[in-house]
Amino acid sequence: GEDVEQSLFLSVREGDSSVINCTYTDSSSTYLYWYKQEPGAGLQLLTYIFSNMDMKQDQRLTVLLNKKDKHLSLRIADTQTGDSAIYFCAESKGSNYQLIWGAGTKLIIKP
Amino acid sequence: NAGVTQTPKFQVLKTGQSMTLQCAQDMNHEYMSWYRQDPGMGLRLIHYSVGAGITDQGEVPNGYNVSRSTTEDFPLRLLSAAPSQTSVYFCASTGTSGEQYFGPGTRLTVT
Repeated sequence: GEDVEQSLFLSVREGDSSVINCTYTDSSSTYLYWYKQEPGAGLQLLTYIFSNMDMKQDQRLTVLLNKKDKHLSLRIADTQTGDSAIYFCAESKGSNYQLIWGAGTKLIIKP
Repeated sequence: NAGVTQTPKFQVLKTGQSMTLQCAQDMNHEYMSWYRQDPGMGLRLIHYSVGAGITDQGEVPNGYNVSRSTTEDFPLRLLSAAPSQTSVYFCASTGTSGEQYFGPGTRLTVT
């Protein structure tokens, strides 16, 4: 079946790197996405990666895609208090533009 | 570019009342969606539209109606509000790589 799985919580110290992991099941997915949701706010698109790529970097964010293991990760370098949020992974279902969503990982920053 | 806008931000209804949640986008996107977000349930798709005049049901459509008379607007109607419809509602508009852009959300309480 279709499923996107994420750990519910991740706790890191301020200044360390955060690595949020996601596994998906649909090998035909064309794009995979990362979203950030701060308390009381909507979902903000952080980045996305095309399925024929292995890595994408954007400032402090690095996305790694392992197609063989259907594993996606989001690394946030030098984690700051402003990175405290819930991070959602999602995969596309191809031409009908529907996304399959993970349940979200809450990133907790320790001082 | 305002992106995706939603009104109202907050709403309290009594059981049995009806209301319309407004959503508009100025990005000329064909595909739009409505989700609800509940604690522990993640994002669930209510209805979606692939263009003006075309709508379809998502995962949890019961109790909701939609219409799409223009590309810009995609209102969600609650026909007879029930406490089970207490939730946060998000409208999203989809870009050319399947990435979804979200509005700020409407927080609805049904008493």
